[in-house]
Amino acid sequence: DTGVSQDPRHKITKRGQNVTFRCDPISEHNRLYWYRQTLGQGPEFLTYFQNEAQLEKSRLLSDRFSAERPKGSFSTLEIQRTEQGDSAMYLCASSLRLADNEQFFGPGTRLTVL
Amino acid sequence: GNSVTQMEGPVTLSEEAFLTINCTYTATGYPSLFWYVQYPGEGLQLLLKATKADDKGSNKGFEATYRKETTSFHLEKGSVQVSDSAVYFCALSGDSGYSTLTFGKGTMLLVS
Repeated sequence: DTGVSQDPRHKITKRGQNVTFRCDPISEHNRLYWYRQTLGQGPEFLTYFQNEAQLEKSRLLSDRFSAERPKGSFSTLEIQRTEQGDSAMYLCASSLRLADNEQFFGPGTRLTVL
Repeated sequence: GNSVTQMEGPVTLSEEAFLTINCTYTATGYPSLFWYVQYPGEGLQLLLKATKADDKGSNKGFEATYRKETTSFHLEKGSVQVSDSAVYFCALSGDSGYSTLTFGKGTMLLVS
């Protein structure tokens, strides 16, 4: 069990550029979640997948954000036309459906928009 | 909607002191409750959990009891160590099978 992995760990970009992050969940986990964490705050839910289906999206997820999980394995989160307010830590988590929603988190991708 | 309120930090303690970090919640039904810990430079790790009223979660000397009557899930440890210095997050998951986690803002603990 290698845990949840995320790539890259850090991303610095200029305002207006597009960025894409990848998350690889624990292999047998069918649920995958994306959260955003800003300094001094707890993680806030963005979206979640069960297998390849995106089942819920937060109102925090503007039209510039899109997430996919094409084969029910890894997931990508893309932010188009980045803004300085997008600077945050983006966390991915995975869980088993029948495990009282205990979620296992990856190390996160820290995004800095200049 | 669901919400979690934690005591603000930082909490500064001497080694071997008693720790309490307060957490209260608002939710409908019977949520599951969690404490996660984030050590410097690392990701969130589940510390303990409780899934129904009066359950006590425990791990690594930490304990928390699910109190539905007071909607609380306070974290306690009898004797803290320097290695316990971290940020602690209280979280809840709603009682539907598809619910996400709602987190508090986190409480930083500094032990010296």
